[in-house]
Amino acid sequence: EVQLVESGGGLVQPGGSLRLSCVVSGFTFSSSLMSWVRQAPGKGLEWVATIEQNGTEKYYVDSVKGRFTISRDNANNSLYLQMNNLRAEDTAIYYCATVGVLGDFDSWGQGTLVTVSS
Amino acid sequence: QTVLTQPPSVSGAPRQRVTISCSGSSSNIGNNGVNWYQQLPGKAPKLLIYYDNLLPSGVSDRFSGSESGTSASLAISGLQSEDEADYYCAAWDDSLNGYVFGTGTKVTVL
Repeated sequence: EVQLVESGGGLVQPGGSLRLSCVVSGFTFSSSLMSWVRQAPGKGLEWVATIEQNGTEKYYVDSVKGRFTISRDNANNSLYLQMNNLRAEDTAIYYCATVGVLGDFDSWGQGTLVTVSS
Repeated sequence: QTVLTQPPSVSGAPRQRVTISCSGSSSNIGNNGVNWYQQLPGKAPKLLIYYDNLLPSGVSDRFSGSESGTSASLAISGLQSEDEADYYCAAWDDSLNGYVFGTGTKVTVL
């Protein structure tokens, strides 16, 4: 069974930093593209970032470029999202998701809540 | 960035058929596969349809997808109370070099 478990969310002040983690099991992590998707309270889904299998190619939504960094540790089946210079508009539930061969987000974690507020 | 347009809400009686539209452009739906996600209240999203019209294992065949040009549709036949949820389309966008989601549609069973 595929499992993705996010952690690291919490309350942070504007301008602060947070590092999210996603530990996965039940599939070959090193063979899968991975993504982060977020959802602001009461709002729709927004793709945040994607990383290729070997970690060399990374893609970001414009609003987080230069502030967020996606990374992975294939030896430990882990995905990360380093978030710096956080803004109020980054407040959201952050989900990690596997990316299928046809570009679909085929498995999702339960999400971790990030709240940016003073 | 949200560049795929969906109706805010759709409703239908039990056992009816409803459809949700998703309108995009040549850089996303027109050139890449469309995926649909179901999000039940308080839950994480779940893949419902991938690459326009393929059903993942375990998903009811009451759900079907189609695509034409720069638009896509999700159909739910034999509507059931358990189908009450938010539905999102999504696709890769070649111009943005990233994924884009639809605005989301809330399905209500009357």
